[in-house]
Amino acid sequence: AQSVTQLGSHVSVSEGALVLLRCNYSSSVPPYLFWYVQYPNQGLQLLLKYTSAATLVKGINGFEAEFKKSETSFHLTKPSAHMSDAAEYFCAVSGIQGYQKVTFGTGTKLQVIP
Amino acid sequence: EAQVTQNPRYLITVTGKKLTVTCSQNMNHEYMSWYRQDPGLGLRQIYYSMNVEVTDKGDVPEGYKVSRKEKRNFPLILESPSPNQTSLYFCASSPKDYQPQHFGDGTRLSIL
Repeated sequence: AQSVTQLGSHVSVSEGALVLLRCNYSSSVPPYLFWYVQYPNQGLQLLLKYTSAATLVKGINGFEAEFKKSETSFHLTKPSAHMSDAAEYFCAVSGIQGYQKVTFGTGTKLQVIP
Repeated sequence: EAQVTQNPRYLITVTGKKLTVTCSQNMNHEYMSWYRQDPGLGLRQIYYSMNVEVTDKGDVPEGYKVSRKEKRNFPLILESPSPNQTSLYFCASSPKDYQPQHFGDGTRLSIL
């Protein structure tokens, strides 16, 4: 079965500091990978996606993620955190058991400290 | 405006009383899916649909039913709800199964 692991259910950073949210997946074949963001009382919004093109993927709001096959990782980064980045972030994978099955990680809540 | 619309947004009901959560998308998407979100567990896929009359189970289908009679609608049916189905539910759609999904705003179900 495909799986996704997000290390750290809560991450705190200072405003202006680097944001690093970790995501590892289980697969022997390149999957499709996604990062979504959820603001309070809202649905999920796509931040970025990896679909076997460039390994460094740029998304919205200054976020980017790098696909590393050797480490089976797809960590999300942003050079400088903003207060508006406070939200919950989910990594998701599909393509291992067929693209119609999507597996989400357990999520990481990002707190930005002024 | 492109959107996925879920109704109701909030519902408190009792064990065993059948309920339906509706989901409608206006983007002509082929793929639709239902998820439940629980603290510490993230989102788990309940059912998905590749197109009209084509549905299949996700990871946690027990106690749920779905139907896809029209491309735009994908209702989630709880025939005999139980307290362990108290959760936040999301409907999502995408043009094809491998593409990013658009999510509704969620339905918070409480089953007493």
